Amino acid sequence: DAMVIQNPRYQVTQFGKPVTLSCSQTLNHNVMYWYQQKSSQAPKLLFHYYDKDFNNEADTPDNFQSRRPNTSFCFLDIRSPGLGDAAMYLCATSRGSGGAYNEQFFGPGTRLTVL
Amino acid sequence: DQQVKQNSPSLSVQEGRISILNCDYTNSMFDYFLWYKKYPAEGPTFLISISSIKDKNEDGRFTVFLNKSAKHLSLHIVPSQPGDSAVYFCAASGGNQFYFGTGTSLTVIP
Repeated sequence: DAMVIQNPRYQVTQFGKPVTLSCSQTLNHNVMYWYQQKSSQAPKLLFHYYDKDFNNEADTPDNFQSRRPNTSFCFLDIRSPGLGDAAMYLCATSRGSGGAYNEQFFGPGTRLTVL
Repeated sequence: DQQVKQNSPSLSVQEGRISILNCDYTNSMFDYFLWYKKYPAEGPTFLISISSIKDKNEDGRFTVFLNKSAKHLSLHIVPSQPGDSAVYFCAASGGNQFYFGTGTSLTVIP
C-alpha cells in the first residue's frame, strides 16, 4: 500500500541533544511537509518542500532544519531541543498545490519527549 | 491570527443521531476545504473535501456543506457510530497556503 512512514514513532532525547526524525513516502508525491502539533492545538506547519524547493515558514525557529535528499525521504533535524519542543511531529505529502492537489496524506507521527 | 477556527472543542452525540461539526475561516482566497479525522497516537487521515465552486459534497455517511458568503463549512455525519469518535480537523487551502483548525473532539455514545 502506498503510504507515508515515520520513524521512530516515539523519540526521547535530552535537553540540547540533537535529534533527527525521518519520513519516507511511497506515493511519489512532489510536496512533503513537516508539522508540529502540541496538545489541543492545530498542527503548525514548520516547512515544506516542493520537489527540491525548500519553503520555511516565517515563524519556524532556527533550531529546526530539514533535508530532502530525494523524492522519497525527508528529515527533520532539531539541533538543540528545548523542553518546549516536546510535541507530535507529523510528516505529510501532497501531489502538488492548488485545489485537490492540496490534499495531504499524513504519516502516523513521531512523539518527541525532551528530558 | 487563526485563519481557520473550530469554536467547539468537543461534541457528544448519541449513536444513530446526526453529528454536526462546524468550521469558520477568514481568508476569502481559500478555494479548497478538507476535513481530517484523527485517532489518538495516529496521524490525521483525510475524510472528505469540497471545492469552493460547490456548496455540498457527500460521501456515504459524511456530507460537507460550504457557505462562502458566511465563510463557514460544516461536516454532517449521519448516522453517527461509536467508531466515529475521534478528533476532527477542518483545513482550508488556497495556492500554497494550508491552514488547520484546532479540532473538535467528537464522542459518539453507544
